[in-house]
Amino acid sequence: EPEVTQTPSHQVTQMGQEVILRCVPISNHLYFYWYRQILGQKVEFLVSFYNNEISEKSEIFDDQFSVERPDGSNFTLKIRSTKLEDSAMYFCASSGRTGRGDTQYFGPGTRLTVL
Amino acid sequence: LAKTTQPISMDSYEGQEVNITCSHNNIATNDYITWYQQFPSQGPRFIIQGYKTKVTNEVASLFIPADRKSSTLSLPRVSLSDTAVYYCLVGDAGFQKLVFGTGTRLLVSP
Repeated sequence: EPEVTQTPSHQVTQMGQEVILRCVPISNHLYFYWYRQILGQKVEFLVSFYNNEISEKSEIFDDQFSVERPDGSNFTLKIRSTKLEDSAMYFCASSGRTGRGDTQYFGPGTRLTVL
Repeated sequence: LAKTTQPISMDSYEGQEVNITCSHNNIATNDYITWYQQFPSQGPRFIIQGYKTKVTNEVASLFIPADRKSSTLSLPRVSLSDTAVYYCLVGDAGFQKLVFGTGTRLLVSP
């Protein structure tokens, strides 16, 4: 069964450093998303991406964040200058059809720890 | 996006059927109802999605009354491995952001 994959599974970084989280969405999917979940809190939407541009972004997704689809398979989330409060699980998701009622499938997540 | 209300937690025993009900009074005509399961430190896992009446797959059943203002996720014969948080989401999930609530924490005991 096709699945979303994410690398790395765990990333430890120093405050102020740049990190890139990588995702390989399901191959025939057209819509891509990033969510995050701070420990013990809700899953929060960050950004959605379609046709090589951002469709929607949340207030969390400020200028420190960017997304890119550098090739036909990868989808990345970059945090330019990490803060302590960026420590969280980051989940990539993808969905397929352009019609209604499609399903978003999530990856296993990357645990980001900012020291 | 329609707001959803579901119990904060539920307890069950292995082998029992578990029914988790979600209220979504403001559901829109285009909205689907989707349930996800999440284990600690893992991504949400899609369980089932429906629009009206009843949907069944190998994992669960979803019951939706005619007015669609609520839905019930039914897990037959739960096992210890079904201990997880279950989220009810309402929206046109194909290309909209998903808004997660706090979900229902299901604890299955031996």
